[in-house]
Amino acid sequence: GENVEQHPSTLSVQEGDSAVIKCTYSDSASNYFPWYKQELGKRPQLIIDIRSNVGEKKDQRIAVTLNKTAKHFSLHITETQPEDSAVYFCAAAQGGSSNTGKLIFGQGTTLQVKP
Amino acid sequence: DAGVTQSPTHLIKTRGQHVTLRCSPISGHKSVSWYQQVLGQGPQFIFQYYEKEERGRGNFPDRFSARQFPNYSSELNVNALLLGDSALYLCASSPGHLRPLHYEQYFGPGTRLTVT
Repeated sequence: GENVEQHPSTLSVQEGDSAVIKCTYSDSASNYFPWYKQELGKRPQLIIDIRSNVGEKKDQRIAVTLNKTAKHFSLHITETQPEDSAVYFCAAAQGGSSNTGKLIFGQGTTLQVKP
Repeated sequence: DAGVTQSPTHLIKTRGQHVTLRCSPISGHKSVSWYQQVLGQGPQFIFQYYEKEERGRGNFPDRFSARQFPNYSSELNVNALLLGDSALYLCASSPGHLRPLHYEQYFGPGTRLTVT
């Protein structure tokens, strides 16, 4: 069935370092890959997304890369700041004729940025 | 510009009772999705509605039902509550029209349901 695996489950970095979170998906029909940031007790916040016709997308300090052949996608955060500390979720959605709102989420990565 | 709103914020129910959760999407958005998030896990898809029609259903029992109203707001109903239904219930809205329904989903703050 559909599945998204996310690694690592926890990540601790020093302020100013880079952080990378990786996800793999099982459904080759997936064509949309959003990333969400969820701070403790708050809603998941869409921070960046990528569609299957694009290999990389950047927005200031965050970037996402997609390798459709390997069914991998990754989130890169550069120059990390303490306010980047949160749980990050990757997700994948099926395209084609399956036009539903179904996002399949990974298990989450708890990122801690140490000052 | 209001985001997605949900009510109530918190709810405590007893096993066997039923519950109704409410969601209002971002103005102009026509699609609403519901997700269940158990502590420490990613959200799990329950339903999606667009233009008052169910467009997707996740792997949840028939005790879970939903509907969407003409103003695009939505209700999630859960009957015969079980302890395992305790979770954060999230509503997400997306534009819906002129693009696949799963693009750009924005979440509300959620309703924290505790079943005792």
